[in-house]
Amino acid sequence: EAEVAQSPRYKITEKSQAVAFWCDPISGHATLYWYRQILGQGPELLVQFQDESVVDDSQLPKDRFSAERLKGVDSTLKIQPAELGDSAMYLCASTNLWGTGGEQYFGPGTRLTVT
Amino acid sequence: GQQLNQSPQSMFIQEGEDVSMNCTSSSIFNTWLWYKQDPGEGPVLLIALYKAGELTSNGRLTAQFGITRKDSFLNISASIPSDVGIYFCAGQRGDYKLSFGAGTTVTVRA
Repeated sequence: EAEVAQSPRYKITEKSQAVAFWCDPISGHATLYWYRQILGQGPELLVQFQDESVVDDSQLPKDRFSAERLKGVDSTLKIQPAELGDSAMYLCASTNLWGTGGEQYFGPGTRLTVT
Repeated sequence: GQQLNQSPQSMFIQEGEDVSMNCTSSSIFNTWLWYKQDPGEGPVLLIALYKAGELTSNGRLTAQFGITRKDSFLNISASIPSDVGIYFCAGQRGDYKLSFGAGTTVTVRA
């Protein structure tokens, strides 16, 4: 069964350092999302891509966060510099909007701890 | 931000029990999705609902899309230990963006 891949699964970094997360969506899924999930809450959208284009990054803290999906397949989310408040689970999801009614499928996530 | 209210916030289950949880919103959604998340993992899609009034089952899980399009419920019948986890509802608007509830934590009663 096709799955969304994410790496690394866990990351510990010191504040002010740079950190990057990678996501490979389900093959053929044109739409890719990055979410942040704080412990005890549901995921919150950071950025949405359609192919290689950003559709919505209104909730992305652009002073320190950046996201790219250069070839419209895999994607990277970067934080520079990391702050203590960035400690959270970062989730990637993908969907084939036109084939499955927009159901989003999530990867296993990257647990970030900033010390 | 999150617009969905999930209840209960947490519940204890005993093996064999039926359990229910629901999700309400002040906004109308076109699609309701239910996910289960185990500790340290990403959410796994359980059920998707597309039409007001729709009742859909997936094994021991049954979910309904409320008539007003502002609510949904999930029922688990004959619960088993592996049902433990956090259940999230998510409402989807026409732009395919998801709004999530804060989750219902299901724990086994000792």
